[in-house]
Amino acid sequence: DGGITQSPKYLFRKEGQNVTLSCEQNLNHDAMYWYRQDPGQGLRLIYYSQIVNDFQKGDIAEGYSVSREKKESFPLTVTSAQKNPTAFYLCASRFGVWDYGYTFGSGTRLTVV
Amino acid sequence: GEDVEQSLFLSVREGDSSVINCTYTDSSSTYLYWYKQEPGAGLQLLTYIFSNMDMKQDQRLTVLLNKKDKHLSLRIADTQTGDSAIYFCAEMSNYQLIWGAGTKLIIKP
Repeated sequence: DGGITQSPKYLFRKEGQNVTLSCEQNLNHDAMYWYRQDPGQGLRLIYYSQIVNDFQKGDIAEGYSVSREKKESFPLTVTSAQKNPTAFYLCASRFGVWDYGYTFGSGTRLTVV
Repeated sequence: GEDVEQSLFLSVREGDSSVINCTYTDSSSTYLYWYKQEPGAGLQLLTYIFSNMDMKQDQRLTVLLNKKDKHLSLRIADTQTGDSAIYFCAEMSNYQLIWGAGTKLIIKP
């Protein structure tokens, strides 16, 4: 079955470390997105990519980096420059900007210890 | 910038109807959405409505759109314990989704 896989489900990071969250899709979608979710807030867009080898900053890109070397994969690195990284991270994809439906992964909960 | 607002909590009795409300600001939005998030999970698209529609019904779900007031609502008939979740309203603005904060639906027995 097609879908989006995020891994790991839970991730713990020490202060000052970089960590990478994985997002893989087999839906043949061109566009992929990373969102951050905090309690009582809507989803905030970190980065998005509409095509391989291209990506754009979202509303809260500082302290994060991404790559899009393959259509299926859009990993997110949370760097030590991100001051408050503890959150739930969601990856999503869709065929393109004209596609009304976003498909979401099941999320990664990152905790700084 | 564009904004979507919804109340954070709604409590209803099992078997009653739930009505979750949302207001948005971008009058040029083409699509408006309702997503459901169960605890610790990703978001699931429940339903969407195109901006030229007033109402859309899908089994127990009814979406009402008032474009004049920029108001969107989701009615869930015969609310069940399995409906307990956070419901997000979102509007499509400049090809990106703008999200509300989510309404947590609490079901009382």
